[in-house]
Amino acid sequence: ETGVTQSPTHLIKTRGQQVTLRCSSQSGHNTVSWYQQALGQGPQFIFQYYREEENGRGNFPPRFSGLQFPNYSSELNVNALELDDSALYLCASKASGGYNEQFFGPGTRLTVL
Amino acid sequence: AQSVTQLGSHVSVSEGALVLLRCNYSSSVPPYLFWYVQYPNQGLQLLLKYTTGATLVKGINGFEAEFKKSETSFHLTKPSAHMSDAAEYFCAVSDRAQETSGSRLTFGEGTQLTVNP
Repeated sequence: ETGVTQSPTHLIKTRGQQVTLRCSSQSGHNTVSWYQQALGQGPQFIFQYYREEENGRGNFPPRFSGLQFPNYSSELNVNALELDDSALYLCASKASGGYNEQFFGPGTRLTVL
Repeated sequence: AQSVTQLGSHVSVSEGALVLLRCNYSSSVPPYLFWYVQYPNQGLQLLLKYTTGATLVKGINGFEAEFKKSETSFHLTKPSAHMSDAAEYFCAVSDRAQETSGSRLTFGEGTQLTVNP
């Protein structure tokens, strides 16, 4: 069974640029969530996708957007990057129903200069 | 809105000593509760979860946690610490009504556990 994978592992961008992060969900999982983890803090919920539609969003501006594809993989897009966007971005997947047991990928470390 | 408070951002124990990491939550409805562990430069790994039923739950690597509704707590314990337990630990809460609110996890700020030889 393949777990959650994310790419790239590290990324360096400059302020104002745009970035796309990718996530492949665990086999059999149809729901994907994205979290932002700033240094020294707990993960913060960005949004969730279920059946290719956004289903829940945290307190993040519209320049954070996403997609989910028919194979349940997902993208996180961030426009107009700011210095405070520097963080570890975590993707988590889960099967529908159940007890909300989410499985996390290794994350993408984004540095904005 | 749900929230999680982890008391103590850093906890240091000796190898073989009891590990106790504290977590208190706030939720207007009975929640699901989770503990995750994060090793350096890695994602989060689920240690254990409370959903319903027995309030003492056992997880991986010898960890367990007890749900105490009256105290709104979900503290994590391990009888004997091992060097490999050194990591950051996160307590998380989620709503049971996933169909309408999505299945977001709300995390605490984390507790860094150091195990001394």
